[in-house]
Amino acid sequence: EDQVTQSPEALRLQEGESSSLNCSYTVSGLRGLFWYRQDPGKGPEFLFTLYSAGEEKEKERLKATLTKKESFLHITAPKPEDSATYLCAVQARGGSTLGRLYFGRGTQLTVWP
Amino acid sequence: NAGVTQTPKFRVLKTGQSMTLLCAQDMNHEYMYWYRQDPGMGLRLIHYSVGEGTTAKGEVPDGYNVSRLKKQNFLLGLESAAPSQTSVYFCASSNYAVAKNIQYFGAGTRLSVL
Repeated sequence: EDQVTQSPEALRLQEGESSSLNCSYTVSGLRGLFWYRQDPGKGPEFLFTLYSAGEEKEKERLKATLTKKESFLHITAPKPEDSATYLCAVQARGGSTLGRLYFGRGTQLTVWP
Repeated sequence: NAGVTQTPKFRVLKTGQSMTLLCAQDMNHEYMYWYRQDPGMGLRLIHYSVGEGTTAKGEVPDGYNVSRLKKQNFLLGLESAAPSQTSVYFCASSNYAVAKNIQYFGAGTRLSVL
């Protein structure tokens, strides 16, 4: 069965302290891996999508990377406004549910001043 | 451009009552999805639709029904609400072929069943 595991569940960083969030996955052929940001009381907001091992995407202080078994979301010099829950999701090739995303449980990031 | 709009934003029901959650998107997307989000569980797919007039079951479909009579709208119905359906419900839409299934989410409906 396809699975997505995110770690850590929660992460507290001081402003400026860089770190990484992990998303490991087991799918029968990866079509795409997606990172979303979710603020309290709001819906997930799309950040990145990665399609093949070795691919990298950047946006401001965030950088997403992908290997054959996991993805990392690197946060460089974070600010308090980066505090949110970060969700990882994967889409498998084929299968009976076209377009279905399998979501991890998320990493809750808190950045304090 | 509103994106994905969900109504209502909050609702409290008594066990056994029925209700319909409405999702509307203005991006001309073919695919639409209903998820529920529970603490510690992540987002789970309830039902989805790959086009007007079509629907299919997701991971946790029991107790829910859906309809897609118009391309821009996707309705989620609870015929007889149960406390186990207390959750936050999210609708999403995507253009599968063009944008490789980047799903865009609404703000959610927070439902409590007493």
